[in-house]
Amino acid sequence: DTGVSQDPRHKITKRGQNVTFRCDPISEHNRLYWYRQTLGQGPEFLTYFQNEAQLEKSRLLSDRFSAERPKGSFSTLEIQRTEQGDSAMYLCASSTDRPPGANVLTFGAGSRLTVL
Amino acid sequence: KQEVTQIPAALSVPEGENLVLNCSFTDSAIYNLQWFRQDPGKGLTSLLLIQSSQREQTSGRLNASLDKSSGRSTLYIAASQPGDSATYLCAVIGGYNKLIFGAGTRLAVHP
Repeated sequence: DTGVSQDPRHKITKRGQNVTFRCDPISEHNRLYWYRQTLGQGPEFLTYFQNEAQLEKSRLLSDRFSAERPKGSFSTLEIQRTEQGDSAMYLCASSTDRPPGANVLTFGAGSRLTVL
Repeated sequence: KQEVTQIPAALSVPEGENLVLNCSFTDSAIYNLQWFRQDPGKGLTSLLLIQSSQREQTSGRLNASLDKSSGRSTLYIAASQPGDSATYLCAVIGGYNKLIFGAGTRLAVHP
């Protein structure tokens, strides 16, 4: 297992376009999280999945944002009609609720979005 | 609403110094607290996880302490090296293992 993988690593798009990010968690991890990080700030929570169920969404996740985890494995985060304010690093993390290593989040390298 | 504050925001020190990074949080009802390292443009690397029942954790030159009642944690770095230069993030862990992060301390260790 190579850890949490995110794709693409960097996306440059024009305002108004749609973008989709993919996250492949550690295979035995049943929990998956999306965070957003802007320059000079700590990551902010966006949403959380337990298996395929989306159990919590932040108010930061406007109706232009949608996240899915259809089979409880990989997840996608889609942003529709991108705005310049969406420019950020989008981080995915996963964890398991079973020992050993229960509840310790492992982060991916992130997907950096630049909206022109 | 939980808020996490890290002080100082930035720190520049000569190699070999011992450092203390501070983290405070407003709601003591946390499960755990975790310290991360982030290199520029990269993801997060977990350094230390302190469970709410613990007072401190150590890994190599790093020692993290937790005082839940006062809402404080410190990360102590002994004998700093240029390779320690990075941003250090503190995060408190609540329900659903959701992390709430501080803004980080940007550390520069110069030879």
